[in-house]
Amino acid sequence: DTGVSQNPRHKITKRGQNVTFRCDPISEHNRLYWYRQTLGQGPEFLTYFQNEAQLEKSRLLSDRFSAERPKGSFSTLEIQRTEQGDSAMYLCASSFLDGYTFGSGTRLTVV
Amino acid sequence: QKEVEQDPGPLSVPEGAIVSLNCTYSNSAFQYFMWYRQYSRKGPELLMYTYSSGNKEDGRFTAQVDKSSKYISLFIRDSQPSDSATYLCAMSAIDDYKLSFGAGTTVTVRA
Repeated sequence: DTGVSQNPRHKITKRGQNVTFRCDPISEHNRLYWYRQTLGQGPEFLTYFQNEAQLEKSRLLSDRFSAERPKGSFSTLEIQRTEQGDSAMYLCASSFLDGYTFGSGTRLTVV
Repeated sequence: QKEVEQDPGPLSVPEGAIVSLNCTYSNSAFQYFMWYRQYSRKGPELLMYTYSSGNKEDGRFTAQVDKSSKYISLFIRDSQPSDSATYLCAMSAIDDYKLSFGAGTTVTVRA
């Protein structure tokens, strides 16, 4: 595994449903990040982990959003009671020292 | 006003031209400056990483940082059709692992 893997690549869900995304970082990377990117915009920071500890959360991360990184390996991002405004690309990245490596993202469409 | 402003584009240039991309920022704490390339439906890929003011060259790419003016640039020499992508500037402060991104500039290099 030479990159950051995200699953699923695409998710279409009905408004009000819960969704969960998974990110598998580069194995030796201790930091893991979640970003959200909407069309025509740059990625916006959501949260990050150092090993299993969630060290910072953006105000963008409402109570409907929760992220975990059990055992400091893979991470999940769950969105409860999805809204149409949650439609975006959700990007995961990992790093060890400098420079992030991003995954290809999970594109969420809420209908 | 956003922390990071990026020339919106889009830019269309003939093959072989020099591409010039620019960002300005307002947060004087930013010390690390990056340029990412993002192809359609892919995650951002790190192109250049610089610390503080100065120039850095890597092949056909040159990154410039002018902290006094809060202005960064990326130049692509001898542009190729494969350089067609969205280019994102990003920056962070020391000991702050989250990145602040510009909105991106879409570049098309015409063969």
